[in-house]
Amino acid sequence: GAGVSQSPRYKVTKRGQDVALRCDPISGHVSLYWYRQALGQGPEFLTYFNYEAQQDKSGLPNDRFSAERPEGSISTLTIQRTEQRDSAMYRCASSPSTGTLSGANVLTFGAGSRLTVL
Amino acid sequence: AQTVTQSQPEMSVQEAETVTLSCTYDTSENNYYLFWYKQPPSRQMILVIRQEAYKQQNATENRFSVNFQKAAKSFSLKISDSQLGDTAMYFCALGGATNKLIFGTGTLLAVQP
Repeated sequence: GAGVSQSPRYKVTKRGQDVALRCDPISGHVSLYWYRQALGQGPEFLTYFNYEAQQDKSGLPNDRFSAERPEGSISTLTIQRTEQRDSAMYRCASSPSTGTLSGANVLTFGAGSRLTVL
Repeated sequence: AQTVTQSQPEMSVQEAETVTLSCTYDTSENNYYLFWYKQPPSRQMILVIRQEAYKQQNATENRFSVNFQKAAKSFSLKISDSQLGDTAMYFCALGGATNKLIFGTGTLLAVQP
């Protein structure tokens, strides 16, 4: 697609429910990143993929959070047994190549999925 | 550990004037990249400008320029001829070999008519 597409844009759920957030990167982009942004804060790294391989998941807060990208394109971030503290904007970003963010390798963000846990 | 500090939570500027947003950072890497992202009320994240640490020349993109002081680990953003559409939250970010961007807490810029 033309940009990074995320769905749903808004998700309201009750505490204890599982949620799945989807990211469709720019076509051909091989690297995909997940960030979480709390209100009034900067984005915080969660995890990233090169193709289908998860390269770094050091930012995932706990084992209720997981992510996959089985075919190297669309990715899903899953939060199990949601808690109120999980409420935030979840942002996906993609870049054309696996190299450093220089030259043509620019990180493009999606509009985000806003999660509210009641 | 890499850190990014933005010490100005909020700033205000009159339309057509110039404003500078501050950012300091810390990293042990020799090859790294610095970014300014804009987040308007729509909450999109838009890349404003990027600086590669090995380049001495300050990056410029139209009305946006940076003052990159490598020894001082300072990376400020200057917006010239401010426009109402520049009203946004501005985030400074640091990236290294892992491409794991570290963001500051942001500066909310209000451009007044």
